[in-house]
Order: sequence, then structure tokens, then C-alpha cells
Amino acid sequence: GAGVSQSPSNKVTEKGKDVELRCDPISGHTALYWYRQRLGQGLEFLIYFQGNSAPDKSGLPSDRFSAERTGESVSTLTIQRTQQEDSAVYLCASSLQGAGLSTDTQYFGPGTRLTVL
Amino acid sequence: DAKTTQPPSMDCAEGRAANLPCNHSTISGNEYVYWYRQIHSQGPQYIIHGLKNNETNEMASLIITEDRKSSTLILPHATLRDTAVYYCIVSSRGSTLGRLYFGRGTQLTVWP
Repeated sequence: GAGVSQSPSNKVTEKGKDVELRCDPISGHTALYWYRQRLGQGLEFLIYFQGNSAPDKSGLPSDRFSAERTGESVSTLTIQRTQQEDSAVYLCASSLQGAGLSTDTQYFGPGTRLTVL
Repeated sequence: DAKTTQPPSMDCAEGRAANLPCNHSTISGNEYVYWYRQIHSQGPQYIIHGLKNNETNEMASLIITEDRKSSTLILPHATLRDTAVYYCIVSSRGSTLGRLYFGRGTQLTVWP
């Protein structure tokens, strides 16, 4: 696959359950980003990985949210004890180099639509 | 981080040029202007970026004013498939490495 892929495409869960969202970045991209988009709103930055480390976690809204990346490839975003306000589309993006290089283009996946009942 | 200002909505007739403006008056000298678009229910799609020279690719042209305080994205022959929200973004620097700040963007509607 040439692009960023995310799974599942849709997830419906009950309040209080944990969910895991997966992102497969473009092969060779060292930087990976997670964003959240609530209905009718703009994108909200969550976390940024450079390789397997996360130099910027400042966008994670609470300690229920965590993310990891392994092998400088796949990343998972975990939301524990989901709440209704967590309902949103979760978008993943990757870029070749990251590290704040202003010419480094981010390419986005299709997103995971999370609905918490 | 430089903020951007865009009109909330615009429309354009199919086949005509769509000119989408963006103000970024606080942009600093080493920051780039990026444009993305988001078609309903899809992830954002990269369109084009530039520093100070005008840029053109297969999707669009980007015109940046000499003082770099504003720019215009031009879709030369808009089609119905270009209906989307268009985001003008200035790249982030400093401690917030890598993140992009998406505002509300401009909803472009192309009508037949």
C-alpha cells in the first residue's frame, strides 16, 4: 500500500470500555502523528512520534489516552474507560523526517470513526 | 505559531477558477504555507506548499504575496469533486515539533 492505513474504519463501543486504534504509516516515514476531529470541528493534535519516541505528547486530553509505536512503523492509540466525549474521527498522518522541518509534508490516513454509546 | 484567517465559505461554478484566500500576517521568515483539503468523511489531502515564490503542481497554484502576509490557492478549473473544506496552515516550529494547526478552513462548494 502506498498510503497511510488505519483500522478499524469504524468502531462502536460502550462507555467505560477500552479501545485500540491502529495506524500503519507510509513505509520509510520516520514521523507519525495522531489527530482527533470531532463532528463539524477542525483537527486537534494529540501526539507526535519521531521514530519510536514521542517528543510531543502535549495534545493528549487526559491520562486515559496513550499511544505507542514499535519498529518505527505501526502505532496504536489506546483510549481507556471511554467516555461519550471521546466520540470523534481519529486521524493518523506520517511524514518522511518530522523533527519540525518546515518542508516535511504530512500524509493522512482515512481515519477511524469512534462512537461511544 | 502563526495563525491563519480564511473565509468560512465560498462557492464556484464548475469549470471556473476557484481562488481561496488566506491571511497569515504573523508568519515568520522560515515558516512555510501549506494547503490541505478534506472531502467529506475522508482524511485531509495535501495540495501544495510554498515559502515565498509562487508554486504550481498538478492540483493547484499557490500565490504568496511579496510581504508573505497572505496567499491564494487557485484551482484553475474547478470540478464537482473539488467540493471540500480547504485548510491554509503555517508550519509549526520550536517545541511543538511537527504538529500542524488546522483552523476551521473554507468550505468550497462547486456547483454545476
